[in-house]
Amino acid sequence: NAGVIQTPRHKVTGKGQEATLWCEPISGHSAVFWYRQTIVQGLEFLTYFRNQAPIDDSGMPKERFSAQMPNQSHSTLKIQSTQPQDSAVYLCASSRLGIDTQYFGPGTRLLVL
Amino acid sequence: SQLAEENSWALSVHEGESVTVNCSYKTSITALQWYRQKSGKGPAQLILIRSNEREKRNGRLRATLDTSSQSSSLSITATRCEDTAVYFCATDDGSSGNKLIFGIGTLLSVKP
Repeated sequence: NAGVIQTPRHKVTGKGQEATLWCEPISGHSAVFWYRQTIVQGLEFLTYFRNQAPIDDSGMPKERFSAQMPNQSHSTLKIQSTQPQDSAVYLCASSRLGIDTQYFGPGTRLLVL
Repeated sequence: SQLAEENSWALSVHEGESVTVNCSYKTSITALQWYRQKSGKGPAQLILIRSNEREKRNGRLRATLDTSSQSSSLSITATRCEDTAVYFCATDDGSSGNKLIFGIGTLLSVKP
């Protein structure tokens, strides 16, 4: 079991460019979560899928951020027109359903110049 | 505002000593989880303690939960240098959802 896989591990973009982050959850897990981690805000919830369906996107900035889960083996987080304040570590986690352990990937460190 | 927060920004101990990290939270919860994050890695769960449990152990780790005071503690005995990490408590938000609300974290340094 390779755990949750996130690619790329590091990404540098220029202001205004698009960034797409990929997550492969643990096989058999039905829930996928995206979080963002910064020094100032800490670990913040962004969005959550259950059985590929979007359940809660209350943490997503309403503009420029979108997430999808086209199949059970991967999810993407897309940031359009990136801004310097989007610089953060984006973490993906997966779990079985219910209140359960969330297994985190290593994160994608995004730097917007 | 944070729904969960650890009570210390940073702690430092020497190898072999015991240490306790405390956490308080602000909502009714289903469970509280303790996670550890080492540099360059994602958080890894240490203990999940449900609201009807008062104590949970995992090797050298012991977590307590007091729902009346909305607080929890994580104790580590016989600390090792490899215990150096940031420790987070995390709760659900009291709704039926499964998202986690994390505290800011406590940086624990274990020195030789």
